[in-house]
Amino acid sequence: RKEVEQDPGPFNVPEGATVAFNCTYSNSASQSFFWYRQDCRKEPKLLMSVYSSGNEDGRFTAQLNRASQYISLLIRDSKLSDSATYLCVVTYTGGFKTIFGAGTRLFVKA
Amino acid sequence: GAGVSQSPSNKVTEKGKDVELRCDPISGHTALYWYRQSLGQGLEFLIYFQGNSAPDKSGLPSDRFSAERTGGSVSTLTIQRTQQEDSAVYLCASSLAQGDNYGYTFGSGTRLTVV
Repeated sequence: RKEVEQDPGPFNVPEGATVAFNCTYSNSASQSFFWYRQDCRKEPKLLMSVYSSGNEDGRFTAQLNRASQYISLLIRDSKLSDSATYLCVVTYTGGFKTIFGAGTRLFVKA
Repeated sequence: GAGVSQSPSNKVTEKGKDVELRCDPISGHTALYWYRQSLGQGLEFLIYFQGNSAPDKSGLPSDRFSAERTGGSVSTLTIQRTQQEDSAVYLCASSLAQGDNYGYTFGSGTRLTVV
């Protein structure tokens, strides 16, 4: 079992739709959580951190469920420009270990 | 500089040659990471530097791969006797400290093609 697992997709949604991605992690000692966005043939860029209480940044909402060991990303009112691969990232305290998920591809269509 | 700078952006080399990839992290970032990404795949961890500590080399795929970081700033990833399976995008990232609670900033990568 991979330490961080994501549905690879692709998710194909129309503009204006709401779409949600989940990511599961296997190590309960996981400490910090992030969502990154990667456009085709570009480097990953930090989208948002994920806090225990959940957090929102405009149309994006991130949630953490430690009991079930998953994080989620909700995108409301999808835009064409949201088309990208979304990477789930989990880090651990007490020493370096950062695991990137393989990513979920999103296509938003007009 | 404002971001993580990598050079060259593209490199085509013949099988068996050595290559050097350079990364210049964001000023003040003590942590530096190298990853590689093959076409359509996820990120594969290679090596991690944190300040003056010994690097974590646990992700290097073979002894043909090595990296150094001089003066706690610029890093060079060297691949000796390149093979076709080394073809990938090599990404460097830096962060203020060890990854916890700090996101990474990635450079735009070096696209390596071994022919």
